[in-house]
Amino acid sequence: DVKVTQSSRYLVKRTGEKVFLECVQDMDHENMFWYRQDPGLGLRLIYFSYDVKMKEKGDIPEGYSVSREKKERFSLILESASTNQTSMYLCASSLESEQYFGPGTRLTVT
Amino acid sequence: AQTVTQSQPEMSVQEAETVTLSCTYDTSESDYYLFWYKQPPSRQMILVIRQEAYKQQNATENRFSVNFQKAAKSFSLKISDSQLGDAAMYFCKAGNMLTFGGGTRLMVKP
Repeated sequence: DVKVTQSSRYLVKRTGEKVFLECVQDMDHENMFWYRQDPGLGLRLIYFSYDVKMKEKGDIPEGYSVSREKKERFSLILESASTNQTSMYLCASSLESEQYFGPGTRLTVT
Repeated sequence: AQTVTQSQPEMSVQEAETVTLSCTYDTSESDYYLFWYKQPPSRQMILVIRQEAYKQQNATENRFSVNFQKAAKSFSLKISDSQLGDAAMYFCKAGNMLTFGGGTRLMVKP
């Protein structure tokens, strides 16, 4: 079975802090994705990557950056966390079009 | 632009009854997959069912089936004999689009 893990289920950070959300997949998938999920807004794509050291902006990249140094790991970085980044963050990976999701990280910025 | 629309933010069904969740999409791809994902409360998003667009036969997985109308770009999910464990957010996705529909919250009444 494909396994996608995220470093934290719950995270509380202060405004202005630099925040790292880590995602690891164990199925040698080329593609990895970061979404945020908010009530009434569904899943919105932040960034994605089709290969190591490659990244593409999604629909809402502002305030975020990513890093993919190794194939299995895709990190989401909030350079200076703000309260409007309080959300559920979902990581996913895929070989083709079917995506496999991690359990999510619920981030609260106070 | 490629879009995915779920027109029902919330649905409710009586246990053991049948419910249909709707999804429409717009894509220029000629060969693609369509997916329904389920996200139970506080749990991981999982794949419910997948449909290949070039196949005329609608996919079925136990109590879950789809009604795929390619010309209308419609892809609805039918849940038969609804169970309490079916209560969840349901998201549809079409093809290689990285965009999900806005989701439908399904409530199951005992």
